[in-house]
Amino acid sequence: ILNVEQSPQSLHVQEGDSTNFTCSFPSSNFYALHWYRWETAKSPEALFVMTLNGDEKKKGRISATLNTKEGYSYLYIKGSQPEDSATYLCALGGSARQLTFGSGTQLTVLP
Amino acid sequence: DGGITQSPKYLFRKEGQNVTLSCEQNLNHDAMYWYRQDPGQGLRLIYYSQIVNDFQKGDIAEGYSVSREKKESFPLTVTSAQKNPTAFYLCASSGNRGSSYEQYFGPGTRLTVT
Repeated sequence: ILNVEQSPQSLHVQEGDSTNFTCSFPSSNFYALHWYRWETAKSPEALFVMTLNGDEKKKGRISATLNTKEGYSYLYIKGSQPEDSATYLCALGGSARQLTFGSGTQLTVLP
Repeated sequence: DGGITQSPKYLFRKEGQNVTLSCEQNLNHDAMYWYRQDPGQGLRLIYYSQIVNDFQKGDIAEGYSVSREKKESFPLTVTSAQKNPTAFYLCASSGNRGSSYEQYFGPGTRLTVT
């Protein structure tokens, strides 16, 4: 079983603050790295799927980077808003597109 | 609307009974997955299917069974052999070969076994 680790486990920030989370994973046999956002009472939604070392993806105020050689990915949120409050999940993709998830980072943005 | 449906949202069973959780998708996706979430833990893969009539065990398949007789449907049976069946179960699907790897999730079923 692959070990995907996320830190921190939880985070409280003030509205307007920028923040970032870390996902670390074994760097061998890499296929893809996923980020999902999971809001309370909703289904997880895909944010990014990255496959190449050095990939950088951006969606609005959220961006992510990938380093497959050292086995980590960062997710950044610029100017956090209360609607960004959610659990952010990182997942390592396998050869059959199956995912191994980390335990997530729970973000709370305080107004 | 295209999407994944899971039913029921909440399910209660007595210990020793098998129970089947439904998952249906109308996204025309080849691959489907079942995950389980326990408090304080990430999603763990139970079973997955890349194509009709074929499926593979995930990391925690013991005590579970699946079938994939139709492309749209991937039901999960929680058997009496599963030692800790109470959990939140999520079904997902992903696009066909050559398309994005991202997975689309259903709303989940919360199973309570007493």
